[in-house]
Amino acid sequence: NAGVTQTPKFQVLKTGQSMTLQCAQDMNHNSMYWYRQDPGMGLRLIYYSASEGTTDKGEVPNGYNVSRLNKREFSLRLESAAPSQTSVYFCASTPLLGNQETQYFGPGTRLLVL
Amino acid sequence: AQSVTQLGSHVSVSEGALVLLRCNYSSSVPPYLFWYVQYPNQGLQLLLKYTSAATLVKGINGFEAEFKKSETSFHLTKPSAHMSDAAEYFCAVTTTDSWGKLQFGAGTQVVVTP
Repeated sequence: NAGVTQTPKFQVLKTGQSMTLQCAQDMNHNSMYWYRQDPGMGLRLIYYSASEGTTDKGEVPNGYNVSRLNKREFSLRLESAAPSQTSVYFCASTPLLGNQETQYFGPGTRLLVL
Repeated sequence: AQSVTQLGSHVSVSEGALVLLRCNYSSSVPPYLFWYVQYPNQGLQLLLKYTSAATLVKGINGFEAEFKKSETSFHLTKPSAHMSDAAEYFCAVTTTDSWGKLQFGAGTQVVVTP
């Protein structure tokens, strides 16, 4: 059981370039999330997917798009990267979308936009 | 809307001393509260959670937290710090209005000195 996996682990982009961050979970969870972590700001929710086929905006969705490819995979796309998107990105999953659910996190993707 | 405030971005404790990390929440409806820990270059993992059952919650690695509604607090404690407790700790809150979407605090970095 690998849990939640993310690729790549580290990426450097130039302003204006695009890229897709990949996330997969093997726990048969229904709900998946994308967060960004910035120093002194904790984690902020970008997008989430309550179940396969649905996606919704979180707190900071501007500049990002997501795709819930299937139950296992949830990708995050930066269409035109900006320096303000330099951050560490975490994917997480829960069995269901609910208040008592424990979120299981991946190891993160460190993104540097020059 | 709900929010959490973590008092102290950095805490230094001696090995064997009490660890106390403070978290205060703001919510107009009953909250669900979580503490997550992040070890260097890793994703977050759950330490413990309060889901309206017992107000004193015990978690992994000897940590516990007490929900105090009158003080709107959910402070995390451990009687005796170990070197392996060096990490960043995040308090998070969700409510029935938020359907499981977590609002994280800014985090507290814990340094353990010999």
